[in-house]
Amino acid sequence: ILNVEQSPQSLHVQEGDSTNFTCSFPSSNFYALHWYRWETAKSPEALFVMTLNGDEKKKGRISATLNTKEGYSYLYIKGSQPEDSATYLCAFNTGTASKLTFGTGTRLQVTL
Amino acid sequence: DVKVTQSSRYLVKRTGEKVFLECVQDMDHENMFWYRQDPGLGLRLIYFSYDVKMKEKGDIPEGYSVSREKKERFSLILESASTNQTSMYLCASSPRTSVHNEQFFGPGTRLTVL
Repeated sequence: ILNVEQSPQSLHVQEGDSTNFTCSFPSSNFYALHWYRWETAKSPEALFVMTLNGDEKKKGRISATLNTKEGYSYLYIKGSQPEDSATYLCAFNTGTASKLTFGTGTRLQVTL
Repeated sequence: DVKVTQSSRYLVKRTGEKVFLECVQDMDHENMFWYRQDPGLGLRLIYFSYDVKMKEKGDIPEGYSVSREKKERFSLILESASTNQTSMYLCASSPRTSVHNEQFFGPGTRLTVL
């Protein structure tokens, strides 16, 4: 079983704060790294798929970077808003099958 | 708008009952997956299916079985529910042609076994 770790497990920030969290994954057999956002009572939705070392992706105030050589990805949220409150999941794919291996998630709570 | 739907959002069952969790997708995807999510453990893969009538064990298949009689429907079966199967269950699907295996998720079923 592949080991995908996320830190911190939970995070509580004030509105307007910028924040970041980490996903660590095996650096061998890398094919793709996915980030999902999972809001309470909703379906997890895809944020980014990252494939190349050094990749940077951005969607509004959220951005992500990828380092495949050392096996980590960072997710950044600039100027957090209450609607950013969710669990953020990363998932690792080796490409040999359609399976994804998920991390434990980072639960973000943004308060006014 | 593409959709993965799950038959129930909340379900309460008793120990020993046979439980069916249903998942339907309208995207004509070949691949379908069942996960459970528990605090501190993330999403863990129970079973998946690459096509109709095909199934493969995931990381934690014990105590579960699945059925894929039609392409759009993937059922998770708890033959004899136990309290340690109390969890959030998520279904997902993906197309065979997906380059990076992005999965599309249902909203989840929170199962409580008493």
